[in-house]
Amino acid sequence: NAGVTQTPKFQVLKTGQSMTLQCAQDMNHNSMYWYRQDPGMGLRLIYYSASEGTTDKGEVPNGYNVSRLNKREFSLRLESAAPSQTSVYFCASTTGRRQPQHFGDGTRLSIL
Amino acid sequence: GQQLNQSPQSMFIQEGEDVSMNCTSSSIFNTWLWYKQDPGEGPVLLIALYKAGELTSNGRLTAQFGITRKDSFLNISASIPSDVGIYFCAGQGGHNAGGTSYGKLTFGQGTILTVHP
Repeated sequence: NAGVTQTPKFQVLKTGQSMTLQCAQDMNHNSMYWYRQDPGMGLRLIYYSASEGTTDKGEVPNGYNVSRLNKREFSLRLESAAPSQTSVYFCASTTGRRQPQHFGDGTRLSIL
Repeated sequence: GQQLNQSPQSMFIQEGEDVSMNCTSSSIFNTWLWYKQDPGEGPVLLIALYKAGELTSNGRLTAQFGITRKDSFLNISASIPSDVGIYFCAGQGGHNAGGTSYGKLTFGQGTILTVHP
């Protein structure tokens, strides 16, 4: 049982390049989330999808777009990467509003 | 937006000692969660608290949901080397969240725990 799977695990980009981070869950969860983790700041919500077909902005959405491709998959896209987007990105999923979120192992992204 | 203050930021303790960390918020939450993160991995859920005043244990871990719904603490008893990692509190939902929160979490900054053998 894989849980939440994120690809790639590591990526280095040049400023201005575009990239899509992939996330898939096999737990039949309704809601999915994208966070970024920076030193000393905990995890901050970028975008979330309450259910298939819906997406909404979180705390730090600027510079990102998302697609809820189907119930299993939720991708995060950087159209024009900037050094400030260097971070570790985590995807999470849950069955419902008051249920704990389950996290993937993260994508470590460096933008030069 | 909502803010969580987690303290302490870091702890250096000897194996066998007890550990205590806490989170406070300016807003009310309906659920408090405690996660642990090991290097190179994502956060893993330790304890979930759903009711004000609730005290829940998971092995050597004990957590409480504050009566005011604005705070929570986590205790680890008799620490061992594998307790090393970053511990995060997270609040979910709440009257001040604005409409339906869809399970969005607000995280504390984390407590880095180091255990010396």
